[in-house]
Amino acid sequence: AQSVAQPEDQVNVAEGNPLTVKCTYSVSGNPYLFWYVQYPNRGLQFLLKYITGDNLVKGSYGFEAEFNKSQTSFHLKKPSALVSDSALYFCAVRDYGNYQLIWGAGTKLIIKP
Amino acid sequence: GAVVSQHPSWVICKSGTSVKIECRSLDFQATTMFWYRQFPKQSLMLMATSNEGSKATYEQGVEKDKFLINHASLTLSTLTVTSAHPEDSSFYICSARVGREPSYEQYFGPGTRLTVT
Repeated sequence: AQSVAQPEDQVNVAEGNPLTVKCTYSVSGNPYLFWYVQYPNRGLQFLLKYITGDNLVKGSYGFEAEFNKSQTSFHLKKPSALVSDSALYFCAVRDYGNYQLIWGAGTKLIIKP
Repeated sequence: GAVVSQHPSWVICKSGTSVKIECRSLDFQATTMFWYRQFPKQSLMLMATSNEGSKATYEQGVEKDKFLINHASLTLSTLTVTSAHPEDSSFYICSARVGREPSYEQYFGPGTRLTVT
């Protein structure tokens, strides 16, 4: 069965410091991995995806994620956090031929000035 | 990028009435749209998948007679909450599938906050 885990309910980071939001997954085939961000009372915005190719994927707003097949992880990273990055972040996965995304529980990211 | 709109952005209705939420793909055609429900501080719960011109596929536990989904055109899907009750109060989000295998993406609407009094 497919599943996604975001082990941290909340991550606190000081502005200017690097941030990491963790995500691990389980799929039967090759994983297609996604990160979305949700601001309060808003829908989700696509950040980045991994389909194939380079393990390091660059996305919107300076975010990047590293696909690690051996650790079945797809952690979201940013070298220098901004207060405006504070939001809810969701990791999602699907495999080929299955168009439904499986969602993680979400991680609340708080960036303190 | 692909833009998905939802209307209304928020709605308050009385118990027993019905509410219709519209989801539109503004600059592309969406064969497949999804309807999600999100409770406070929780992840998205897929309610149903709608394909243009056919009946929606509902997830287990979702009452299809209560949550009516119509996907009559390639740019519009509607969710009607019938005989709404306070427990139907939630944040409803639609999304549209864009692209082909393997590069599907989902683009999301801004959500609709429903409050049933």
